Amino acid sequence: EVQLLESGGDLVQTGGSLRLSCVASGFTFSNYAMGWVRQAPGRGLEWVSGISKNAASAYYADSVKGRFTISRDNSKNTLYVEMNSLRAEDTAVYYCAKFEGYCGGGGCPTGWHFDYWGQGTLVTVSS
Amino acid sequence: EIVLTQSPGTLSLSPGERATLSCRASQNINSNYLAWYQQKPGQAPRLLIYYASSRATGIPDRFSGSGSATDFTLTISRLEPEDFAVYYCQQYDSSPLTFGPGTKVDIK
Repeated sequence: EVQLLESGGDLVQTGGSLRLSCVASGFTFSNYAMGWVRQAPGRGLEWVSGISKNAASAYYADSVKGRFTISRDNSKNTLYVEMNSLRAEDTAVYYCAKFEGYCGGGGCPTGWHFDYWGQGTLVTVSS
Repeated sequence: EIVLTQSPGTLSLSPGERATLSCRASQNINSNYLAWYQQKPGQAPRLLIYYASSRATGIPDRFSGSGSATDFTLTISRLEPEDFAVYYCQQYDSSPLTFGPGTKVDIK
């Protein structure tokens, strides 16, 4: 059974930093791209970032580019996102998700959809 | 960026009825790179449909997806009590990956 367990969510001040982790089990972690999706309170879903299976390539939404860094440790079956210069609008539940699929004609992350999701971890950014 | 519009915003139906949810894209989605997810309160989203019409593992056959280019549909043939939830479409043809705003299916 695929399981994704996020941790690291917390209350942080505007301008602060936080690192989220996601431990994966039930599949061969190093064979799959992974990503983060967030959901602000009472709002819809927003893709945040993705990383290829060997960590060679990383992809970001414009809203977080330059502030967030995605990474992974395949020896620990763990996905990370380092979040810096946090803003109030980054307040959300952050979901770790496993990607499925092959890179599309436009290059990755096109062609990837999310087939499994963790339960999420809440990040609150407040002054 | 491909913008997805979902309609209606809320669909009020009774168990046993048929639900038809629409997802419209601001430009053509190639290779049917369109997925549907279900989300219940306090839970993570769950993949229902990918490549516009392929059911994910363990998804009942009352869920079906159809469409191409800019117009896509999720149909639930007969609503079960556990189907009342929010449904999101998502395109993965173009970066950034984007989601629609969701359709809430609630009990009439």
